[in-house]
Amino acid sequence: DTGVSQDPRHKITKRGQNVTFRCDPISEHNRLYWYRQTLGQGPEFLTYFQNEAQLEKSRLLSDRFSAERPKGSFSTLEIQRTEQGDSAMYLCASSFITDTQYFGPGTRLTVL
Amino acid sequence: GENVEQHPSTLSVQEGDSAVIKCTYSDSASNYFPWYKQELGKGPQLIIDIRSNVGEKKDQRIAVTLNKTAKHFSLHITETQPEDSAVYFCAASIDSGFQKLVFGTGTRLLVSP
Repeated sequence: DTGVSQDPRHKITKRGQNVTFRCDPISEHNRLYWYRQTLGQGPEFLTYFQNEAQLEKSRLLSDRFSAERPKGSFSTLEIQRTEQGDSAMYLCASSFITDTQYFGPGTRLTVL
Repeated sequence: GENVEQHPSTLSVQEGDSAVIKCTYSDSASNYFPWYKQELGKGPQLIIDIRSNVGEKKDQRIAVTLNKTAKHFSLHITETQPEDSAVYFCAASIDSGFQKLVFGTGTRLLVSP
């Protein structure tokens, strides 16, 4: 399978805990995007990397959120001190330059 | 910023009928319009896209039309099949620099046998 992969697929955590998600893009894709999708809504842009550089962040990305892409390969999204409002599907997508964005299966986060 | 509206929110058709989903966008600078299909528990899957230098694009049973003047674009699915049942999202972006997709709210398509 050479598509975008995300891990874990599901995460249940208690309010106040930290969580970290991982995204492995399609190999040779230099762009990586994170989106958040709540129930009944379309995905909303969070942040974007070109290679290892984080070039754009949405206002949705509060100080509790941090994303990294070391060495321009996989990426991690960490949420500190989770809140119930963080419950959502977190989607990762990758592309080669400005070509089509291919999405992974997502990580569903539930904050109790 | 860009805003994308999508209609209808739900669409029920009989197998073999055609389905049409419409989207409007607000930013006249947007020039890239993809459509994604999302099945339950899965990530969005690109089904077709169109750039602003083209008015229509077709791929087998799926077609997309774009009206830049009116700032709206539509997805047409002909000869629908039960496996077409899913949530469909339109999106828009400005295809320069980076490609931040702004999505519509989705259309749940149900194709009954």
